[in-house]
Order: sequence, then structure tokens, then C-alpha cells
Amino acid sequence: EVQLVESGGGLVQPGGSLRLSCAASGFTFSSHWMHWVRQVPGRGLVWVSRINSDESNVNYADSVKGRFTISRDNAKNTLYLQMNSLRVEDTAVYFCTRTVAGSSNAMGVWGQGTTVTVSS
Amino acid sequence: QSVLTQPPSASGTPGQRVTISCSGSSSNIGSNTVNWYQQLPGTAPKLLIYRSNQRSSGVPDRFSGSKSGTSASLAISGLQSEDEADYHCAAWDGSLDGVVFGGGTKLTVL
Repeated sequence: EVQLVESGGGLVQPGGSLRLSCAASGFTFSSHWMHWVRQVPGRGLVWVSRINSDESNVNYADSVKGRFTISRDNAKNTLYLQMNSLRVEDTAVYFCTRTVAGSSNAMGVWGQGTTVTVSS
Repeated sequence: QSVLTQPPSASGTPGQRVTISCSGSSSNIGSNTVNWYQQLPGTAPKLLIYRSNQRSSGVPDRFSGSKSGTSASLAISGLQSEDEADYHCAAWDGSLDGVVFGGGTKLTVL
């Protein structure tokens, strides 16, 4: 079964850091672009970042550029999002997603999400 | 304020055909394909349509997508109660170098 499982969310103070992980299983992880997308409950989806199969191509939303770092470990089938200098407005559910074969942006598999709360 | 514009709500009765629009610009929809996602209450989004008009695996043919110029549409025919969900459009934006989403459309089946 194709599966993505996020972890690492939690409560953090403004200015703090968190590292999210996404464990992938059931498919060839190293063959797919991967993305992070976030959503404040009751609001729309907001794209955060993407990374290609060999980490040679990464992109970030302007709102997180310079603060967040996406990475992956293909040997461990795991995607990461290092979040530094967190702000209250980063509070959201963070989804890990996998693209469909041959696409860099069509997100065909989604994890269940992990909640990040930035508050003092 | 989302880069892609969707109506906040749409509705229809069972069996009806409804369409949801998604408006963008030359840097996103005008030059890239559009993906549509369905999000049932309390769940993660699911890919419905990719490359503007390709149905994802297992998606009924009641769902179809189209694109013209800087706009795209999702059509749902033979509306069913289980189609009640939020629908989100998305596309790559070459100027922003990122994926942009619409604000989402809440579909109500009356």
C-alpha cells in the first residue's frame, strides 16, 4: 500500500524550530518529486516547498524562503522539512505529498498531515 | 488572497451537473496545466484531475476538467451526495517559481 506518514509536529514558541518528517512506503521513493503543503483548518491549501528526486532542484514559497529547508533521504525513504524562525502565521496542518509518475506538480498521494502550532 | 480565483461556494441537486471555475493568469494557468483536488470533510485532499483533463486513477468519469486560456473548470455530472466536499485548483506559476492554489470551493449537494 502506498503510504505517507508525517511526524514531528507540535507546539513551539515564535522564533523556534521544528523538523517535520514524512516516512514513505509502498513505492519507489527515489523516483518522485515530493512536496509540502499546509492548511489552516477551514482555509485553503497553501504550497510550501518541493524537491526533485536527487535534491538537485528545490523550490520554496516566498513566505518560507530563507527559513524552511526541504530535504530527503532516499536510502531511508524519508522527506524532511526543517522549519526555523517560526512565526505565528506558520501555524497549520502540514501535508507531505508525492507527485504522480512523470509529473513534478500533480500531487497524487497525500499523508494525513501533522499539526504545527506556533504560539507563546 | 489566493493567486488562483475560485468561487467560495457552489451547489446543486442530486443528478445535476455543476461546474467550478478557476481563474488565473498567463504565468500560471495560461502556460501550465491545472490540477484539481477534492477534500472531504476532515480528510486529506485527493487528486481528481491532473494535466488539466486527465482523471486520476479510480476517479469516476462523472468528473472532468478543461482549460482555456487563463481559466480552467471542473465539471461534475450526475451529482451525488458523496460529492459534497471542498474542491481546490492548482497550477505551477513560472513567475513565482512555485505551485499556486485557488482558495477552494465548497460544494453543497442540496
